[in-house]
Amino acid sequence: DAKTTQPTSMDCAEGRAANLPCNHSTISGNEYVYWYRQIHSQGPQYIIHGLKNNETNEMASLIITEDRKSSTLILPHATLRDTAVYYCIVRALNQFYFGTGTSLTVIP
Amino acid sequence: NAGVMQNPRHLVRRRGQEARLRCSPMKGHSHVYWYRQLPEEGLKFMVYLQKENIIDESGMPKERFSAEFPKEGPSILRIQQVVRGDSAAYFCASSVTTGAYGYTFGSGTRLTVV
Repeated sequence: DAKTTQPTSMDCAEGRAANLPCNHSTISGNEYVYWYRQIHSQGPQYIIHGLKNNETNEMASLIITEDRKSSTLILPHATLRDTAVYYCIVRALNQFYFGTGTSLTVIP
Repeated sequence: NAGVMQNPRHLVRRRGQEARLRCSPMKGHSHVYWYRQLPEEGLKFMVYLQKENIIDESGMPKERFSAEFPKEGPSILRIQQVVRGDSAAYFCASSVTTGAYGYTFGSGTRLTVV
């Protein structure tokens, strides 16, 4: 099971891009990278996932390095409502392994 | 299209009582997952069920905890003889299938054991 490493916390100015890094150096070839976020004590919210190509949706972009050992989640224009804990997850079979994530604070 | 519904949102139990947590998956989803989140920690996998079958219970404590997902009705996570250490947020998620798809999580049940 691949482990992920994320910074404990980050700040971002409102309106600027938030770039959240994640290391997953032991990822296997068929394992996807998922990003979820948890706002306050709510249930985790799906953001985006990818295998090896960069992905973009209405919420964010996911950039995965060519060797797949790291990725970056990009929130293009952070708002105050994006303040949350962001989890980078490498899926293993039937379950997600959530670490402690990155606590992102968007500053006015 | 309602999301994953969990109830109750908050549950208070005295030590030694039983706690029953319910989860109704999204319409069309036949895979249910339970996770537990202790204060200031990430979510920890407990169990994965399909209709009437437990597929993976590697994260379930060996005693007092059980889960089911009957043919009709919601999935139930049952904790017998609760102790203070069981106080946590319990989240349920569902998916339409396995593979590369993500889960949809419910809002959780916050269990407090007094």
